[in-house]
Amino acid sequence: GNSVTQMEGPVTLSEEAFLTINCTYTATGYPSLFWYVQYPGEGLQLLLKATKADDKGSNKGFEATYRKETTSFHLEKGSVQVSDSAVYFCALRVAGTASKLTFGTGTRLQVTL
Amino acid sequence: DVKVTQSSRYLVKRTGEKVFLECVQDMDHENMFWYRQDPGLGLRLIYFSYDVKMKEKGDIPEGYSVSREKKERFSLILESASTNQTSMYLCASSFFRDNSPLHFGNGTRLTVT
Repeated sequence: GNSVTQMEGPVTLSEEAFLTINCTYTATGYPSLFWYVQYPGEGLQLLLKATKADDKGSNKGFEATYRKETTSFHLEKGSVQVSDSAVYFCALRVAGTASKLTFGTGTRLQVTL
Repeated sequence: DVKVTQSSRYLVKRTGEKVFLECVQDMDHENMFWYRQDPGLGLRLIYFSYDVKMKEKGDIPEGYSVSREKKERFSLILESASTNQTSMYLCASSFFRDNSPLHFGNGTRLTVT
């Protein structure tokens, strides 16, 4: 079946630190990969996506590259801000599944001054 | 902006009660989804619908049913609430086409006592 594994949190960083949140996946078929972010008290919103191998998704200073050889989609940001504090979810979708997403367990990021 | 509105932010119900969670979207999306979010488990798909009166089971449909009588509205029903259904419930919608992003509501936190 399909599954997504994320690093356990919480991740606590100082402002301007470098961020990496690891994500690996297993999938039947050729998945598209996503990162969603959930700010406190809100629903999830799409942060970035990549639909084929070696694609790089980017948004708001965050990046993730679709690595088929290592089945990974790690999220990175060069300099985090307090406002980036949120829960980050990695997800995959296999073609033909009507936009059904399989989510990881989420990684909480806390950024301090 | 796409708006997905869940009728209640917080609900407290007693064991055995019938519970309705309502979700409305304003973007003419074909797909609608109900997920539950639990710590350490991430988001798990309960049911989804890709058209009016159409529904499909997700990964954890037991104890739940759904109704979609109009395109913009998708209801989740707990026929007889139990304490293990205490959770955060998230509704989402999307277009039917491949890789259309999901748009989430802010969630309903249900407590069953």
